[in-house]
Amino acid sequence: GQQLNQSPQSMFIQEGEDVSMNCTSSSIFNTWLWYKQDPGEGPVLLIALYKAGELTSNGRLTAQFGITRKDSFLNISASIPSDVGIYFCAGQLTDGGSQGNLIFGKGTKLSVKP
Amino acid sequence: EPEVTQTPSHQVTQMGQEVILRCVPISNHLYFYWYRQILGQKVEFLVSFYNNEISEKSEIFDDQFSVERPDGSNFTLKIRSTKLEDSAMYFCASNGRGNQPQHFGDGTRLSIL
Repeated sequence: GQQLNQSPQSMFIQEGEDVSMNCTSSSIFNTWLWYKQDPGEGPVLLIALYKAGELTSNGRLTAQFGITRKDSFLNISASIPSDVGIYFCAGQLTDGGSQGNLIFGKGTKLSVKP
Repeated sequence: EPEVTQTPSHQVTQMGQEVILRCVPISNHLYFYWYRQILGQKVEFLVSFYNNEISEKSEIFDDQFSVERPDGSNFTLKIRSTKLEDSAMYFCASNGRGNQPQHFGDGTRLSIL
């Protein structure tokens, strides 16, 4: 089945630094999503991308949908301690408005040192 | 902001017992999903549901699993005879249209003894 390769697996950074993580797939997706998961909670949607080449920002977060539709990256600028958590990419393949399940990456665990 | 709510937050069950996990999707959403996350691993798709029937299911969703929308607000996942390997976080998600972002609940931690 479809699989997503997400990297890096973990990151330890200093507060104020920028962060970059990415996902690649062997097959195409119509939608790329980025979620953040805090301990004991469910994934929370950060950014949704719908078009190849699309670049979208949400505050300090920026994500792009790769031109080939097989990859996406997420950047976090000027990290702060509350950015700590696990970030998941997810790809969705939908046909028109049909229901599409999400394929998740393995996550990037972000640790921020104050 | 509307939320997906799940109960209970933690369920401890003896192996072989039946368990029902409950979800209340966002009220105007029509598409519902269950996902599973084994400790320390990625989130995995189990099943999607629309218009009172299963749209798609994964290989994990075998005959031990079933889903139901018993009324206008609840969406349940039943595991008929639990196994040790069913221990995981189970997440419910919903969206208003099938291609819109899915919103997740905080999950039920299922522990099988």
